[in-house]
Amino acid sequence: SQQGEEDPQALSIQEGENATMNCSYKTSINNLQWYRQNSGRGLVHLILIRSNEREKHSGRLRVTLDTSKKSSSLLITASRAADTASYFCATDREKDTGRRALTFGSGTRLQVQP
Amino acid sequence: GAVVSQHPSRVICKSGTSVKIECRSLDFQATTMFWYRQFPKQSLMLMATSNEGSKATYEQGVEKDKFLINHASLTLSTLTVTSAHPEDSSFYICSAARGTYEQYFGPGTRLTVT
Repeated sequence: SQQGEEDPQALSIQEGENATMNCSYKTSINNLQWYRQNSGRGLVHLILIRSNEREKHSGRLRVTLDTSKKSSSLLITASRAADTASYFCATDREKDTGRRALTFGSGTRLQVQP
Repeated sequence: GAVVSQHPSRVICKSGTSVKIECRSLDFQATTMFWYRQFPKQSLMLMATSNEGSKATYEQGVEKDKFLINHASLTLSTLTVTSAHPEDSSFYICSAARGTYEQYFGPGTRLTVT
């Protein structure tokens, strides 16, 4: 199965509430990243957490990483309608040639109701 | 910040024709670029790794004769979908690697094959 499974697949909340999305992966990683994608658009990089980090903050975003459980979570606090998007976790993996590619999770579709 | 562009943003072509998609890193040089495909409401799947000056590395199950990749310069990679069929209709996204961990994504190209 795919490296990087996310739950929930879909999440609907009210504006002002917090949104938590989870990601699990299977292999060892160097880092884990979270991306946002508005419908039919490209990806926007949100935050990168390295394998030796446990928690990282960026504005209203909080990311945790548990390498023993091979899982990560993304928390968006005080959500806004503009946060409506799909969110993907992505892990890097060392290719045979040493060049890195990202493996994306299945994504969480977040709907924030105004 | 680093900018990656894709052209065209959307294209409609007839079955059997070929389509070329360009990916450019506008303000940095990228020895490695990646091509992903995304079907509706699904995650991004890596198709191939594009290496400047050498052959691309394709993921298992991706036909290299169908998806031709050329990385002729440090700022340009092209993906040509040859003899396109309706099942090739998808959202194609490129990314350009910068530094050890950073990847910058293009805005994507929506391909519709009729």
